[in-house]
Amino acid sequence: GAVVSQHPSWVICKSGTSVKIECRSLDFQATTMFWYRQFPKQSLMLMATSNEGSKATYEQGVEKDKFLINHASLTLSTLTVTSAHPEDSSFYICSASTGPTEAFFGQGTRLTVV
Amino acid sequence: GQNIDQPTEMTATEGAIVQINCTYQTSGFNGLFWYQQHAGEAPTFLSYNVLDGLEEKGRFSSFLSRSKGYSYLLLKELQMKDSASYLCAVMDSNYQLIWGAGTKLIIKP
Repeated sequence: GAVVSQHPSWVICKSGTSVKIECRSLDFQATTMFWYRQFPKQSLMLMATSNEGSKATYEQGVEKDKFLINHASLTLSTLTVTSAHPEDSSFYICSASTGPTEAFFGQGTRLTVV
Repeated sequence: GQNIDQPTEMTATEGAIVQINCTYQTSGFNGLFWYQQHAGEAPTFLSYNVLDGLEEKGRFSSFLSRSKGYSYLLLKELQMKDSASYLCAVMDSNYQLIWGAGTKLIIKP
């Protein structure tokens, strides 16, 4: 089946630094990738939707200058959390869509900012 | 290893009832989520169960049995717009989400 690889699975960083999270579709081309954030025991919250080669569409309340999304190819999207602060500590998950069929999810990245 | 199993595809008739099962084996348990996802769109949250029993929300209900590692999503009075994929996900002891592959539900008139 379709596999989406997200890396790293967890990361600890210092406040003020930037962290990059990669999302790769391993055996299919993803026309659309979604980035989510999830706080403990809460639902996924969609942060942004990105299509290959174009700018990401951010959900209301998500700072696009803080959460930089790049979707440079049909198999890779990256999320960079810039100038991270403790309140950015969360679980970030990507999903990749094959178009008219279901999206496939990455394993998620647990970010802890200290 | 950690594993979530749910049927790949199900078909049901408009107006009927359908039950989508999910079984799981995870290292620890911090809750089970059900999501709905229409083709090409982001998933939307349906339910969260952390205690045994049935949670009812309108036409949708979700059941959990932790001792059996089992959950189901029950959809009543099916409508054509319910045609979508339904994703089961379990949060393990490290608060990592373990996702099922999803069940594609096809509703026929």
